Amino acid sequence: QSVLTQPPSVSGAPGQRVTISCTGTSSNIGAGYDVHWYQHLPGTAPKLLIYGNSNRPSGVPDRFSGSKSGTSASLAISGLQAEDEADYYCHAYDMSLSASVFGGGTKLTVL
Amino acid sequence: EVQLVESGGGLVQPGGSLRLSCAASGFTFTNYDMSWVRQAPGMGLEWVSYISSSSRATYYADSVRGRFTLSRDNAKNSLYLQMNSLRDEDTAVYYCARELTFGGGMDVWGQGTTVTVSS
Repeated sequence: QSVLTQPPSVSGAPGQRVTISCTGTSSNIGAGYDVHWYQHLPGTAPKLLIYGNSNRPSGVPDRFSGSKSGTSASLAISGLQAEDEADYYCHAYDMSLSASVFGGGTKLTVL
Repeated sequence: EVQLVESGGGLVQPGGSLRLSCAASGFTFTNYDMSWVRQAPGMGLEWVSYISSSSRATYYADSVRGRFTLSRDNAKNSLYLQMNSLRDEDTAVYYCARELTFGGGMDVWGQGTTVTVSS
């Protein structure tokens, strides 16, 4: 059971928009700690997509966007492409655990 | 090119030890905090340990505290994870990652090294 809760899977057709939620608690997201998002393809290094809730590192397309409200955060992917099919993880600091915590991951399928 | 390269993984028996290394290049290693993150087979990402740029602070996940020790040698641009009393559940791909700040996002990752704990 992960500290941050994500849906196990989401799907969408090419060109569509999907969102992935990340629900935390008052010890992590709700305490004001930033949320970060990663894309992970099996057998490769995870890639930072969003940091500090809504900031994109250089090179990440603006099709990817992040937001945060209360104890939750979301990753939105617009204009879905086949290459977006991957696992996506949210990440934040938890003050009760004094630890970094990840969500359980969401598998995105592009139909 | 900014790069992290892990090494030292392998097959080890339960109760055994292993030392993972992470070689950094392409950036000023001494300026960055670092972490290890692992992924067990069929599971998600799990943060393992963190070390500050000066080695002044280290933190561990509850699952490894007391068994794993994280250190770094800034002169050699290297990070080390000493893993003792290994258990079956430590079987995973281990990634080293560069931290923006602790809990602030990890912007550079290595390709990972595989640790298998099995008799």
